[in-house]
Amino acid sequence: DAKTTQPNSMESNEEEPVHLPCNHSTISGTDYIHWYRQLPSQGPEYVIHGLTSNVNNRMASLAIAEDRKSSTLILHRATLRDAAVYYCILRRRTNAGKSTFGDGTTLTVKP
Amino acid sequence: DVKVTQSSRYLVKRTGEKVFLECVQDMDHENMFWYRQDPGLGLRLIYFSYDVKMKEKGDIPEGYSVSREKKERFSLILESASTNQTSMYLCASSLDSSGNTIYFGEGSWLTVV
Repeated sequence: DAKTTQPNSMESNEEEPVHLPCNHSTISGTDYIHWYRQLPSQGPEYVIHGLTSNVNNRMASLAIAEDRKSSTLILHRATLRDAAVYYCILRRRTNAGKSTFGDGTTLTVKP
Repeated sequence: DVKVTQSSRYLVKRTGEKVFLECVQDMDHENMFWYRQDPGLGLRLIYFSYDVKMKEKGDIPEGYSVSREKKERFSLILESASTNQTSMYLCASSLDSSGNTIYFGEGSWLTVV
């Protein structure tokens, strides 16, 4: 299975932008890049996903490198409620069911 | 909204007991998953199912089995619970396509004493 690599932790100040990186150098052409986040004592929730082009939604933006070997989740203005563990995963077109999560990045937001 | 419901939020079981963790989803999803989450170890896939009666092992299947007799229900079974299976268990579901979102339940906290 394709693996992703993320920093263990990052810090941000409230109301500042946050860029969370993810490396996925073994990505294949039909793999989607998904991001999820997990708030304390809850199950993970979907944030955003993309294939090749950058994506925006109400929660965040996803910037995908031209070679697709890395991506960045962008929170435009971090709030205290954004403090969570963020997971970047690849979902393969074949065997899409077997989605493997890594350890994620723990984001701390300081007031 | 998609809903993934795990039957028990908190359970305490004795060593050697047979434990059933039940999960139900209401959106006709083909894929269902069971993950285990321990502090500092992220989410680890135990089993997943891509159709009724179909299952595949994940990364840590030892000590667990699963059952999917109906499309909406996926059960995780600990045949003989041990203390090292004390953990949070997360059920999830998705449509069978890489572009589709995975939806998670709230989690079941299992303590084996």
